[in-house]
Amino acid sequence: EAGVTQFPSHSVIEKGQTVTLRCDPISGHDNLYWYRRVMGKEIKFLLHFVKESKQDESGMPNNRFLAERTGGTYSTLKVQPAELEDSGVYFCASSPELAGPDTQYFGPGTRLTVL
Amino acid sequence: KQEVTQIPAALSVPEGENLVLNCSFTDSAIYNLQWFRQDPGKGLTSLLLIQSSQREQTSGRLNASLDKSSGRSTLYIAASQPGDSATYLCAVRPWNTGNQFYFGTGTSLTVIP
Repeated sequence: EAGVTQFPSHSVIEKGQTVTLRCDPISGHDNLYWYRRVMGKEIKFLLHFVKESKQDESGMPNNRFLAERTGGTYSTLKVQPAELEDSGVYFCASSPELAGPDTQYFGPGTRLTVL
Repeated sequence: KQEVTQIPAALSVPEGENLVLNCSFTDSAIYNLQWFRQDPGKGLTSLLLIQSSQREQTSGRLNASLDKSSGRSTLYIAASQPGDSATYLCAVRPWNTGNQFYFGTGTSLTVIP
């Protein structure tokens, strides 16, 4: 079974540009989570999808971030316009519907560098 | 607001040594605590999950303890091996914040052959 995959693995952009990160959860997993870790800080929750619906987006830092999960399969996280403080590693995780939030399978992350 | 701290930030030990990683949290109203391992370029892998009603969990050479009242957890690794080299993170799930985890900053462990 394929794990959670994220694309790209690394992105370098200029301040003010737009970047879209993609997460493909494990097939059949209804729950999808986004997290990020900025340099030197802890991993922080961004938001949680159940299928295509946003269950909890309380961790989204501001309106420059837009997450979508059309069709309840893969998800994208767009940052527009990117700022220097957005640099960090963005993780995605998924879990099956009945597994609960404690069983999350994490992807390898996308390292975003904003210059 | 829940804050999770891990000490030390980095640890280097010779192979075969037993070691303890520490995690502390500020709000004891947690549902559970989980220890993760992260290898470079990889995602997080869950090692042990301790429910708030439990005192410890064991898996192989790993033993995690939880003292909720004092806001502390330890991860004990017995007979360390070079393959144990990784970053270890603890995360708590509070009662009142739905499905969110609050992570510590991690301890980077290097086991020297």
